[in-house]
Amino acid sequence: NAGVTQTPKFRVLKTGQSMTLLCAQDMNHEYMYWYRQDPGMGLRLIHYSVGEGTTAKGEVPDGYNVSRLKKQNFLLGLESAAPSQTSVYFCASSPNLGQHQNTEAFFGQGTRLTVV
Amino acid sequence: DQQVKQNSPSLSVQEGRISILNCDYTNSMFDYFLWYKKYPAEGPTFLISISSIKDKNEDGRFTVFLNKSAKHLSLHIVPSQPGDSAVYFCAATHGGGFKTIFGAGTRLFVKA
Repeated sequence: NAGVTQTPKFRVLKTGQSMTLLCAQDMNHEYMYWYRQDPGMGLRLIHYSVGEGTTAKGEVPDGYNVSRLKKQNFLLGLESAAPSQTSVYFCASSPNLGQHQNTEAFFGQGTRLTVV
Repeated sequence: DQQVKQNSPSLSVQEGRISILNCDYTNSMFDYFLWYKKYPAEGPTFLISISSIKDKNEDGRFTVFLNKSAKHLSLHIVPSQPGDSAVYFCAATHGGGFKTIFGAGTRLFVKA
């Protein structure tokens, strides 16, 4: 059982380049998330999705776009990378247990992105 | 404006002793709190959670305490083991919502 898989694990980009981070989950979870982790900042939510074909903005969405064409995949795109987007990116997923039912999220191993 | 604060960036504890990690929050709407553990080069993994209707939840060596009036929660690890050395994130959410807010993390060192 792979859980949540992120591709790639590492990437170095030049300023202005674009790239897509791929997240795949095999747990049939409805909800998926993209976070970034920066020193002293914890994990901050970039975008999230509550189901196939839907996306929504999180805390820090600027400079990123996402798509959820298939339930198991959640893509994070950087159209024009900036040094401020140097970070570790985590994808996560969680099941839909019903309204007001809380549960934990399952995280991928992370993607370390450096923009030079 | 950090809604979830972990004011101790690091904590060092002797093996066998108790580790106490603290977390404060400002948003009174939060009704569910979680602790995640993270090893280097891995993603966070869920450790333990607590609903706002409780003041304590225990799972083996891990216990989380919630003091709603003080907007404070703590994670106790007893006894601490070297394998517990990791970064611990406190997180909070409300209404089954998707916008879970994380603290900055506390790095725990358990010395053998």
